[in-house]
Amino acid sequence: GENVEQHPSTLSVQEGDSAVIKCTYSDSASNYFPWYKQELGKRPQLIIDIRSNVGEKKDQRIAVTLNKTAKHFSLHITETQPEDSAVYFCAASSHGNNRLAFGKGNQVVVIP
Amino acid sequence: DTGVSQDPRHKITKRGQNVTFRCDPISEHNRLYWYRQTLGQGPEFLTYFQNEAQLEKSRLLSDRFSAERPKGSFSTLEIQRTEQGDSAMYLCASSLEAGARNEQFFGPGTRLTVL
Repeated sequence: GENVEQHPSTLSVQEGDSAVIKCTYSDSASNYFPWYKQELGKRPQLIIDIRSNVGEKKDQRIAVTLNKTAKHFSLHITETQPEDSAVYFCAASSHGNNRLAFGKGNQVVVIP
Repeated sequence: DTGVSQDPRHKITKRGQNVTFRCDPISEHNRLYWYRQTLGQGPEFLTYFQNEAQLEKSRLLSDRFSAERPKGSFSTLEIQRTEQGDSAMYLCASSLEAGARNEQFFGPGTRLTVL
């Protein structure tokens, strides 16, 4: 089955700086890659996603890039704010296999 | 609230007891998923329904776990003869079948503690 890995496990950034989280996946059939943000004690919330026919997608301060050849995708957060502090999970799935395979998560801490 | 809802939010039980959780998906969503999340880990897939049909179960899912979605709306997840290792957050998600995109929305979860 699909195996998704995330690096680094913890990331601390100064407020206003950028944060980048990288994920790798193993199944070349995967074609959908969402990112979820989970604050302590709350549900995972979808913040951005990308399909394999697109290399990059941006939504205000967040963007996701995908490299299908290398089987990795990244989340970029610019102009970080304290409310960006949370655990971020990447995931992958393939058409016809609807389960999402999640990484272990990255704790992002934005230092005011 | 038109999002995914789950009940109860917390459940404490003794080892060996049976527990049942309920999930109400977003009303127009025909797909429903159950995941389990333990501390420091990402959600782990358990099972998935399309309408009332259970289409996939994780090979990791013990025979003590069973899920139903009898009318294609809400779903229940039952754990029989609970064990301490079952302690986790049980998350439900739903999505609308729409091509290759598989945008899943999560509920708040049911936190199970087995003593």
